[in-house]
Amino acid sequence: GENVEQHPSTLSVQEGDSAVIKCTYSDSASNYFPWYKQELGKGPQLIIDIRSNVGEKKDQRIAVTLNKTAKHFSLHITETQPEDSAVYFCAARPQGTQGGSEKLVFGKGMKLTVNP
Amino acid sequence: SAVISQKPSRDICQRGTSLTIQCQVDSQVTMMFWYRQQPGQSLTLIATANQGSEATYESGFVIDKFPISRPNLTFSTLTVSNMSPEDSSIYLCSGGQTLNTEAFFGQGTRLTVV
Repeated sequence: GENVEQHPSTLSVQEGDSAVIKCTYSDSASNYFPWYKQELGKGPQLIIDIRSNVGEKKDQRIAVTLNKTAKHFSLHITETQPEDSAVYFCAARPQGTQGGSEKLVFGKGMKLTVNP
Repeated sequence: SAVISQKPSRDICQRGTSLTIQCQVDSQVTMMFWYRQQPGQSLTLIATANQGSEATYESGFVIDKFPISRPNLTFSTLTVSNMSPEDSSIYLCSGGQTLNTEAFFGQGTRLTVV
């Protein structure tokens, strides 16, 4: 089955710096890659996603890139702010799932700390 | 986006008892999922809740331990049966809209078994 690896497991940056989180996946047929932000005591919140027919997607300070050949995708956060501090999870949708909300395979998560 | 509400948000239970967690979505969704998240860990899928039929369980999870109901397209329950301290975890409900691959999560239920 699909396997998603995420690194680093922790990252600490100064406010205003950029942060990059990288994930790799194993199933070349996976076609949907969301990113979730989870704050302490809360459920994961979808912040951005990318589909396999797109190489890059941006939403204000957040961007995601996808390299299907290398089977990796990355989350880029620019001009980080203390409120960006959270755990970030990448995920991939494996092959063979039905339409609608297909089940996702998650990475282990990365704890981002933005120091003021 | 769908708004997903879970009840209870947290509970402390005695070993050997059962707890039922409710998940309510503010709009109809095609599929609903239940995840477990142990402290500091990633999300592990327990099962897919199917409307009108039995849930589909992932490897390592069985219906006798985690019975699931889904009577309609906006509501599901997960029961954690005959609990032991190893069941202490956060349980998360997830769902999404038809023809939309986005999946949204509830705030989770933090379960502690003593």
